[in-house]
Amino acid sequence: GENVEQHPSTLSVQEGDSAVIKCTYSDSASNYFPWYKQELGKRPQLIIDIRSNVGEKKDQRIAVTLNKTAKHFSLHITETQPEDSAVYFCAVYGNNRLAFGKGNQVVVIP
Amino acid sequence: DTGVSQDPRHKITKRGQNVTFRCDPISEHNRLYWYRQTLGQGPEFLTYFQNEAQLEKSRLLSDRFSAERPKGSFSTLEIQRTEQGDSAMYLCASSAELYEQYFGPGTRLTVT
Repeated sequence: GENVEQHPSTLSVQEGDSAVIKCTYSDSASNYFPWYKQELGKRPQLIIDIRSNVGEKKDQRIAVTLNKTAKHFSLHITETQPEDSAVYFCAVYGNNRLAFGKGNQVVVIP
Repeated sequence: DTGVSQDPRHKITKRGQNVTFRCDPISEHNRLYWYRQTLGQGPEFLTYFQNEAQLEKSRLLSDRFSAERPKGSFSTLEIQRTEQGDSAMYLCASSAELYEQYFGPGTRLTVT
């Protein structure tokens, strides 16, 4: 099955700085790559996604970049705010399912 | 609220009992998914419905687990003879197209 890994597992950033989380995957046939944000005790929330025919997608302070050759994609959060503190999961779509990484804990320090 | 809803939100049961969870997807979403999430892990796929047809099942879904979506709308997930290892958050997601999945709040199961 698909192997999805996220690095680093925990990331602390000063408020206002940028955060970058990287996700690697194994199945080169995968073609859809979403990022979910999960706050403590809440549902995973889809925040941005990218398809394999696009290299970069941006939505306000968040962006996702995809390198299909290297089989990795990254979440970029600029001008971080305390409300960005959460666990972020990358996922890869294949075989009618999403395969998730283990998550990155992002802590924004005021 | 037009999002995915799940009921109950919490369930505590004794080992060996049967439990059933319900998921109501976003209206007109024909695809419905069940995932399981344990502490410190990402959601793990359990099963997938397109309309009323169950098209995919994970190896994680033992014979004690059964899911239905009888009319292509809401879905139920039943766990028979619960074990302590079944304790987890059970998440439902739905999508209208192939990719974008929206999650419900989950049902937290505790087996004592």
